[in-house]
Amino acid sequence: QSVLTQPPSASGTPGQRVTISCSGSSSNIGRNTVDWYQQLPGTAPKVLSYSNNQRPSGVPDRFSGSKSGTSASLAISGLQSEDEADYYCAAWDDSLKGWVFGGGTKLTVL
Amino acid sequence: QVQLRQSGPGLVKPSQTLSLTCAISGDSVSNNNAAWNWIRQSPSRGLEWLGRTYYRSRWSNDYAVSVKSRIAINPDTSKNQFSLQLNSVTPEDTAVYYCARGLSGTIDCWGQGTLVTVSS
Repeated sequence: QSVLTQPPSASGTPGQRVTISCSGSSSNIGRNTVDWYQQLPGTAPKVLSYSNNQRPSGVPDRFSGSKSGTSASLAISGLQSEDEADYYCAAWDDSLKGWVFGGGTKLTVL
Repeated sequence: QVQLRQSGPGLVKPSQTLSLTCAISGDSVSNNNAAWNWIRQSPSRGLEWLGRTYYRSRWSNDYAVSVKSRIAINPDTSKNQFSLQLNSVTPEDTAVYYCARGLSGTIDCWGQGTLVTVSS
């Protein structure tokens, strides 16, 4: 059971906007910043959004992260077939003194 | 550009020690602003942070409670790398293991991953 809660699946058609949620608590998301990762099959996770809403260079502005209270979300606009992947949220947990992750959301582009 | 290159065996027998190494290029294991992590991923446990080592005028470690009694993460400044040792492994330790850099509150760079199977 993951510390951060994500829906197991999400889907959308090309061009649509999809949002993935991530729910935590006061010891993780409530106190620290949230990062989002994209994982393609057989590869390591790649940072899509860090410090709640910052995009690394090279990540399209179709991807945007946000945070409110003890929850965060990742929005993907203009959905494309290559966005089909697993998405994970992560944050530092002050009580556990370690990184915690969501269980992952499998995004399907219909 | 930072790159992390993992090495180590892909098969370990039950009760033995899992050992992996992560070689760093483009950064220093002694970077005062970085932390060097080990994370694993399995279908049953998802992504699980195992621990980290970091230098802030002296070396320190943090370990996940779930593995604290049998894990060691050590830096090797002469080779600019860090290692993971996990003792007394069981089949539940079968997973893809990643090394990763933490910088400014983000895990921003990951190794390529190593599938480690615990089996006799």
